[in-house]
Amino acid sequence: NAGVTQTPKFRVLKTGQSMTLLCAQDMNHEYMYWYRQDPGMGLRLIHYSVGEGTTAKGEVPDGYNVSRLKKQNFLLGLESAAPSQTSVYFCASSSWTSGRYTGELFFGEGSRLTVL
Amino acid sequence: LAKTTQPISMDSYEGQEVNITCSHNNIATNDYITWYQQFPSQGPRFIIQGYKTKVTNEVASLFIPADRKSSTLSLPRVSLSDTAVYYCLVGEPGTASKLTFGTGTRLQVTL
Repeated sequence: NAGVTQTPKFRVLKTGQSMTLLCAQDMNHEYMYWYRQDPGMGLRLIHYSVGEGTTAKGEVPDGYNVSRLKKQNFLLGLESAAPSQTSVYFCASSSWTSGRYTGELFFGEGSRLTVL
Repeated sequence: LAKTTQPISMDSYEGQEVNITCSHNNIATNDYITWYQQFPSQGPRFIIQGYKTKVTNEVASLFIPADRKSSTLSLPRVSLSDTAVYYCLVGEPGTASKLTFGTGTRLQVTL
């Protein structure tokens, strides 16, 4: 049982390049989320999905796109990377009955992205 | 969204009990209080969740007064491995889209 897996774990991009971060979960969770974490700050929600085929904007969605074509996968795309998008990205999943408590979030290990 | 306020940092010695208080004055009726722990270079990990009174599990206790405007995470006999950032979240469970991670409390445990 792998839980939440993020790929890649590290990536360096040049300004203007595009890339996609992949999040995969094997817990059959309905909800999936993408967060970013900058130094000294908490996690900020970028986009989220409440089910296969659905996505919604979070707190800081600009410059990112997402897709959830399969229930187990949630993709985060950067169409034209900017230095301001240098951050650590975390994916999480949950359901109403996940874990021992209602709505427990399960996080991946993070993906460190640097945009030069 | 219920706004939370936590101390930015705390220091403790190994073996002591640590209490981290979170203030959430505008908590709504359906909101739960959830705490997460984050180690460097890792994603946050769920610690404990409660609605009212006291909740205890194998790693922590959560104390919630009757007015629910604050909550206290209690870590008994901390060790060096408890050095981490602790986040207090307030909101309806089930979906995290309405939950906000603040800057958390950075706990430093030393010998």
